[in-house]
Amino acid sequence: GDSVTQMEGPVTLSEEAFLTINCTYTATGYPSLFWYVQYPGEGLQLLLKATKADDKGSNKGFEATYRKETTSFHLEKGSVQVSDSAVYFCALSPRGSYIPTFGRGTSLIVHP
Amino acid sequence: EAGVTQFPSHSVIEKGQTVTLRCDPISGHDNLYWYRRVMGKEIKFLLHFVKESKQDESGMPNNRFLAERTGGTYSTLKVQPAELEDSGVYFCASRSTRESYNEQFFGPGTRLTVL
Repeated sequence: GDSVTQMEGPVTLSEEAFLTINCTYTATGYPSLFWYVQYPGEGLQLLLKATKADDKGSNKGFEATYRKETTSFHLEKGSVQVSDSAVYFCALSPRGSYIPTFGRGTSLIVHP
Repeated sequence: EAGVTQFPSHSVIEKGQTVTLRCDPISGHDNLYWYRRVMGKEIKFLLHFVKESKQDESGMPNNRFLAERTGGTYSTLKVQPAELEDSGVYFCASRSTRESYNEQFFGPGTRLTVL
C-alpha cells in the first residue's frame, strides 16, 4: 500500500538557518503530495501541495518539488524563524481521493 | 468564519471507561473525517461521513469505536470500553464539496490518555 517516510525529529535549528526535511513516498500511479504543519495548540494546516511531477509547491517561504524519479518531496526553507517551530507532516493522496496518507511527522524547533 | 472545533481538548480516563469525543465542522461542510495519531506514529484515517452517512469506515480499528453524525452537523466518536492502545490524538477534519478548492480543514485534536 501507499506509504510516506519522513526524517526523524526533532530538528533543532538556530534562527535564519536553512531547513530541509526529507520526505519520500511509495505509491502506485501519480499521487498528489502535501506538506501539512501543526503549530502548538492548533489543528493541521495545509502548507503546500504539488499535484504532478516537477511541480513546485510554495507558501510562507517554504518550498517542495515533486520528484517522481526519486519519489521525494523534500521541504525546504532558506531562513527559518522562531515562529516556524511546529510539527511538519508529509502526506500523499491518490488521484481522486481526499484522504491523505501521512508520514510520522517531524518536529522543528527554532531557537533565537 | 469559525474553524473546525473539537471537544474536549484533553481527556484522561481509566481502562474500561467510556469516552465521547465531539467534532464541530465548519458550517456547511458536508464531508467530515476522523483521524488518529498514536504517539510518534503516522496520522491514520478512521472514517468519513458525507452528511449523516458513513461513506468509508475502513479505518475504524474495532467495534469498540462508534461514530455518529446525526443530522449531518456535528459528529461524535465514542470509545467503549477504552483500552490502553486507544491513547493518542484524535483529529477531525471537514471539507466542502461545493467549493472549487477541496481542502480538508483540520481541528486542533483531542488528546486521549487511557491509564
